[in-house]
Amino acid sequence: KNQVEQSPQSLIILEGKNCTLQCNYTVSPFSNLRWYKQDTGRGPVSLTIMTFSENTKSNGRYTATLDADTKQSSLHITASQLSDSASYICVVSERGSYIPTFGRGTSLIVHP
Amino acid sequence: EAQVTQNPRYLITVTGKKLTVTCSQNMNHEYMSWYRQDPGLGLRQIYYSMNVEVTDKGDVPEGYKVSRKEKRNFPLILESPSPNQTSLYFCASSLETGPVYEQYFGPGTRLTVT
Repeated sequence: KNQVEQSPQSLIILEGKNCTLQCNYTVSPFSNLRWYKQDTGRGPVSLTIMTFSENTKSNGRYTATLDADTKQSSLHITASQLSDSASYICVVSERGSYIPTFGRGTSLIVHP
Repeated sequence: EAQVTQNPRYLITVTGKKLTVTCSQNMNHEYMSWYRQDPGLGLRQIYYSMNVEVTDKGDVPEGYKVSRKEKRNFPLILESPSPNQTSLYFCASSLETGPVYEQYFGPGTRLTVT
């Protein structure tokens, strides 16, 4: 069964600091990996989308990396802001499937 | 403004009373899907639709129905809701399926079945 595991489950950091969130998956064959940001009570918003051939993708202060060989991805947030407080969800799709596998998310809290 | 809308946003109902949650997108997207989100479980896909009149089951379709009679609308129907369908529901759409297409989520519908 396809699985997506995210760590840590929750994280508290101070404003201005950097942080890295992890995503490990077993989905195979791999199609793409997406990172979403979900504010409390709102729908997820896409941050990055990576295919097999891409190992880095940036979106402003967010940088995602992908190692398809080890089936690992990370999301690095630079110079965190209070508005970065949210849940970050990793989603992996299997080639030929229309049903993505979602991780349970990492809850990030940024304190002033 | 390009968006996915859902109605209602909040709904409290009783077991067995049929309900429909509407979803509409104004981006001419072909692919639409429904998800439920439960604490500790993450998002799970209920149904998806590749285009008008083309729908298929996701991970957790039991107890739900959908229809896609028009490209812009993708309602979720609970014929006989039960308490285990209490959840936060999201509709999403994308131009097409595939790794390059960004998926846009609606604001969510919080459903409570008593």
